[in-house]
Amino acid sequence: DIVMTQSPDSLAVSLGERATINCKSSQSVLYSSNYKSYLSWYQQKPGQPPKLLIYWASTRESGVPDRFSGSGSGTDFTLTISSLQAEDVAVYYCQQYYSTPITFGQGTRLEIK
Amino acid sequence: EVQLLESGGGLVQPGGSLRLSCAASGFTFSNYAMSWVRQAPGKGLEWVSYISGSDDTTYHADSVKGRFALSRDISRDTVNLQMNSLRAEDTAVYYCAKNKGALWDDAFDIWGQGTMVTVSS
Repeated sequence: DIVMTQSPDSLAVSLGERATINCKSSQSVLYSSNYKSYLSWYQQKPGQPPKLLIYWASTRESGVPDRFSGSGSGTDFTLTISSLQAEDVAVYYCQQYYSTPITFGQGTRLEIK
Repeated sequence: EVQLLESGGGLVQPGGSLRLSCAASGFTFSNYAMSWVRQAPGKGLEWVSYISGSDDTTYHADSVKGRFALSRDISRDTVNLQMNSLRAEDTAVYYCAKNKGALWDDAFDIWGQGTMVTVSS
């Protein structure tokens, strides 16, 4: 199984500042035939289901604000929120869909400082 | 509007069974793979099961293999998760999720609101 490890476990950032969450996979999730990394990011607010933010490591889902961006390839990935808004308080998860079982990171809790 | 609506959760004794259903609307159900993801109280996300949008191939997490079965009813745009031999560790909110494509190797772009399953005597 591919183990997904996020860092940090929790993060406090001031409004308007940049927030960065890291995700590392135990093996590469880059498929060599199409050069795509099978990695997505989700946001989950209390009492709500997860919401897809980013897929293929860096493609923003329709309707997601452009302050959210994803980067990385292979085993190391980053979710960046360029200017933190109050509504961004949530838990963020990375997920690999390169192989089954599909696995998620443990989550990173993002709060306002 | 694209929507998924889960039903069937509840309280069940250890060793018992439950059948969860997920009703889809707003998209061509037969074109997409569907998955179930669960979340134990206060914990993270765990993928449970998947069914292909092309040939009804299913995959299950090792933690539920042999106990859970997944099927889809194209005529009703519904996917059903039959859960047998339930254990306390199966207690969780169960989310139905739509894959972006027909196969398992894609992100989950639509999620239902979830249904709670509690396994306890």
